[in-house]
Amino acid sequence: GEDVEQSLFLSVREGDSSVINCTYTDSSSTYLYWYKQEPGAGLQLLTYIFSNMDMKQDQRLTVLLNKKDKHLSLRIADTQTGDSAIYFCAEFSGGYNKLIFGAGTRLAVHP
Amino acid sequence: NAGVTQTPKFQVLKTGQSMTLQCAQDMNHEYMSWYRQDPGMGLRLIHYSVGAGITDQGEVPNGYNVSRSTTEDFPLRLLSAAPSQTSVYFCASRGTGGYGYTFGSGTRLTVV
Repeated sequence: GEDVEQSLFLSVREGDSSVINCTYTDSSSTYLYWYKQEPGAGLQLLTYIFSNMDMKQDQRLTVLLNKKDKHLSLRIADTQTGDSAIYFCAEFSGGYNKLIFGAGTRLAVHP
Repeated sequence: NAGVTQTPKFQVLKTGQSMTLQCAQDMNHEYMSWYRQDPGMGLRLIHYSVGAGITDQGEVPNGYNVSRSTTEDFPLRLLSAAPSQTSVYFCASRGTGGYGYTFGSGTRLTVV
């Protein structure tokens, strides 16, 4: 069945790069997403990548996709305290028209 | 442009009570979904709809009902609330060919 896995916690120093990793199982996924959730808020779509792409860059965000290993990563350059949040990886299962989420990675940014 | 609107934001129920969580979107999106979020478990799909009049079950549908009489609205009904339904509920919508779901701000439900 479909499954998305992420590490639960990441701590980085302000100004460093953060890399959040995700693995998924559904090889037929067409889109893969990164969502950000700040405390008490809903989910905000950060970026997405189509399954036929290897990389996507959007300002401080870089998404890398390794389809062979079913591995997705999100790199945040020059991490700031405002980046502290939970980051969710999600795959779009077209067969069921649904998003399948990982458990979320809590990013803590310290001075 | 309101996006996806959920009401109420907070609710406390007693075990056995019923209630309806409201969700409305003003983007003319075809697809709508309900998720629940529990600590350490990400978001799990409860029910979803691919258009008015069409609904289907997700991963955790037991104890919940939905209907989709209009494109805009997708209410979630708790039939007989149980403490295990204490959670944060999110409604989301997506247009045809859209690249991602837009989420509402959530309803925090506590069942005592």
